[in-house]
Amino acid sequence: DAKTTQPPSMDCAEGRAANLPCNHSTISGNEYVYWYRQIHSQGPQYIIHGLKNNETNEMASLIITEDRKSSTLILPHATLRDTAVYYCIVSVMDSSYKLIFGSGTRLLVRP
Amino acid sequence: GAGVSQSPSNKVTEKGKDVELRCDPISGHTALYWYRQSLGQGLEFLIYFQGNSAPDKSGLPSDRFSAERTGGSVSTLTIQRTQQEDSAVYLCASSPVSRLEAYEQYFGPGTRLTVT
Repeated sequence: DAKTTQPPSMDCAEGRAANLPCNHSTISGNEYVYWYRQIHSQGPQYIIHGLKNNETNEMASLIITEDRKSSTLILPHATLRDTAVYYCIVSVMDSSYKLIFGSGTRLLVRP
Repeated sequence: GAGVSQSPSNKVTEKGKDVELRCDPISGHTALYWYRQSLGQGLEFLIYFQGNSAPDKSGLPSDRFSAERTGGSVSTLTIQRTQQEDSAVYLCASSPVSRLEAYEQYFGPGTRLTVT
């Protein structure tokens, strides 16, 4: 079972920031938070990951609360091409590294 | 550079037939994964290969499903005696697995399998 909880859908206006929340209240101390997205009819695409510090790359920013029980993915200036399903994933404590995908958040960016 | 490639992109087969799906991972990536995504559903892990270690087959739904990875590179997912519930998009991903805790998986475009 997925270890994260996300709202099923969100929308935002083009050019505005999109803030996608994720709850992972049972996260373990050495588990990372990963974000992937899946644009329609494509394979998932890695966005960003973090352990406890906030992270930023060319695609997005990841804000992780101090207790690590929740995080927010921020797309600073959403475009129509950012319309996708966004998955928040906590890395599995396992000898393999399989990703356990939940149902994600369907983000619709409106013109 | 080239990403993960999969073939065929689409496959229509009759119930009861066997099918083979191919994945070419990114060169140098030691880890390879298969997932499947049924219509309107999330992604479901199937199998994982890492180097010369025994594969993690814990996600395979039945013994009709098998996969192999030859020479640490190309992988083939085989479904025997296909059933209609096998209809899905089959996704392959590879990863460099450069550190124990952190990994990024790079996905291919998928093979859409339709069993009639």
